[in-house]
Amino acid sequence: SQQGEEDPQALSIQEGENATMNCSYKTSINNLQWYRQNSGRGLVHLILIRSNEREKHSGRLRVTLDTSKKSSSLLITASRAADTASYFCATDPVIQGAQKLVFGQGTRLTINP
Amino acid sequence: EAQVTQNPRYLITVTGKKLTVTCSQNMNHEYMSWYRQDPGLGLRQIYYSMNVEVTDKGDVPEGYKVSRKEKRNFPLILESPSPNQTSLYFCASSWTGLSGYTFGSGTRLTVV
Repeated sequence: SQQGEEDPQALSIQEGENATMNCSYKTSINNLQWYRQNSGRGLVHLILIRSNEREKHSGRLRVTLDTSKKSSSLLITASRAADTASYFCATDPVIQGAQKLVFGQGTRLTINP
Repeated sequence: EAQVTQNPRYLITVTGKKLTVTCSQNMNHEYMSWYRQDPGLGLRQIYYSMNVEVTDKGDVPEGYKVSRKEKRNFPLILESPSPNQTSLYFCASSWTGLSGYTFGSGTRLTVV
């Protein structure tokens, strides 16, 4: 079951610009996580934001969470060519007895030099 | 180095020939999980394990088996592979199912 949906599906920007990706989800969550995947490789955990948090920073990453709208955004500032990758949000729906992450289909980000 | 190791990285096999994809983690994580990734469908969970001898189905368990006899290992078994199991497979581990996951590098499986 797909819980999170990223928007846009693809994003292409110039190096140095900021990139914003959005994630919407359907059910109550414990937390929301963002991951990066370079082409065909394993996903790398970027940041986790808990349901009682509204904003979190990590280096050039800024994540916001609006539980009333069931949405999150990932902002990458001062983008670099190395940021080219797919970005996924993952949520853990509040389901009794289950602990699992459900991933969206990702946003493919291309940084042009 | 903390890591999740999957083997093999690439595998081409024929329909019906049993295979095992191994997964091992060195972080003493209790939670381990298998996902498959397909174009247009994203990552879908196959099976997960919350601890030794504790496994449960994910969203797409049909055609797969798992076992968790030791904390560090979580092999994925395809008893009779079919072409619709051609996919990119990832093993992941974490302290709990709700904390950040560490992923393996993936196994690209082709069933002909």
